[in-house]
Amino acid sequence: AQSVTQLGSHVSVSEGALVLLRCNYSSSVPPYLFWYVQYPNQGLQLLLKYTTGATLVKGINGFEAEFKKSETSFHLTKPSAHMSDAAEYFCAVSGSNTDKLIFGTGTRLQVFP
Amino acid sequence: KAGVTQTPRYLIKTRGQQVTLSCSPISGHRSVSWYQQTPGQGLQFLFEYFSETQRNKGNFPGRFSGRQFSNSRSEMNVSTLELGDSALYLCASSLEQGRDSPLHFGNGTRLTVT
Repeated sequence: AQSVTQLGSHVSVSEGALVLLRCNYSSSVPPYLFWYVQYPNQGLQLLLKYTTGATLVKGINGFEAEFKKSETSFHLTKPSAHMSDAAEYFCAVSGSNTDKLIFGTGTRLQVFP
Repeated sequence: KAGVTQTPRYLIKTRGQQVTLSCSPISGHRSVSWYQQTPGQGLQFLFEYFSETQRNKGNFPGRFSGRQFSNSRSEMNVSTLELGDSALYLCASSLEQGRDSPLHFGNGTRLTVT
């Protein structure tokens, strides 16, 4: 079975500061990992995904995430926060091909001027 | 290419009624999944359809059902509505079934049960 834990339901940063959103996963098979972003009154939008290969994955809007198998982590980072990054971020894991995508509980990112 | 379209965007129903939500996937996408999103439970998987067949089902009561048509459009139905069914219902489509095919979400239908 797969599961995802997102540490910190709320994260606040100043504009221009580093963004770090934490995600740890549990999976009985090599996982596929995803980060999605949700803006108010909208659905989820894919930021990036890790399947196989390079462990540092670059996504849209300047975000990237690193898959660390030894730490079972897939933390999301962005070097410099922008006001438009304020949203809710979801980490998700997929196990086998027949498994559904399992989402974490989300982290709400606030960006202060 | 048009995104995933969900109708209606907002819905208000009374306890005991039933409701049908509609989802049109991205053109060419054959897999459709449904999720329920609430502040308390987060995103919970309802079901997944691929080529008109239900391939996966979440842990929801039988009041929740769905189907997929030959054009890949999908509907979900909730009967005998309860207050706890108030939520944002999200539909997502993907090109193929399988974990390598990322989900593309619609903007959801917000259901309020009074």
